[in-house]
Amino acid sequence: DSGVTQTPKHLITATGQRVTLRCSPRSGDLSVYWYQQSLDQGLQFLIQYYNGEERAKGNILERFSAQQFPDLHSELNLSSLELGDSALYFCASSVGRANNSPLHFGNGTRLTVT
Amino acid sequence: AQSVTQLGSHVSVSEGALVLLRCNYSSSVPPYLFWYVQYPNQGLQLLLKYTSAATLVKGINGFEAEFKKSETSFHLTKPSAHMSDAAEYFCAVSPQGGNTPLVFGKGTRLSVIA
Repeated sequence: DSGVTQTPKHLITATGQRVTLRCSPRSGDLSVYWYQQSLDQGLQFLIQYYNGEERAKGNILERFSAQQFPDLHSELNLSSLELGDSALYFCASSVGRANNSPLHFGNGTRLTVT
Repeated sequence: AQSVTQLGSHVSVSEGALVLLRCNYSSSVPPYLFWYVQYPNQGLQLLLKYTSAATLVKGINGFEAEFKKSETSFHLTKPSAHMSDAAEYFCAVSPQGGNTPLVFGKGTRLSVIA
């Protein structure tokens, strides 16, 4: 058990809809990362937060947004969903913001857009 | 930009045989390098990391990796494969001294044959 909790585990929704994925980091970790995993693109970094502030941005679409709250949990909002957004979405956390800090991954949220 | 290339999307070995999973990085200076493992329906778990200390890095479950600057490689090995090693393995890279989050390779699926 990594200590990172993601909810829900599965999500099925229709095109055009909006969903929110939630992540609780490991106790004591200040950084939260979001990754998207799909068969064709592999693991793609979306966004990182450190102690409530956005720290780094990757290949995140404008239809997607995220935030980290004062209690350090994070939410990833996906809107105007398209079929191609179907993927596994992982949250990971680390103690610090340095990029040699190992990431601890949750078990992911599997999103299916129909 | 930093990147890693994992040679072979699928590797199959017999139980008890040597496991060799290849990873090459592209960087003008030695980066931080990581190997992660993903078991079915789970998140990624850190196997080992290289952060410019010893070039031979030992990880969990009997795995180790050797950093070779001259070959820009960080191959993962295990002397004797076990059935429980069947999983997806990811090599990842991030630059030293920066704040760029991990960039993952496409992954190598390891199958172990009894």
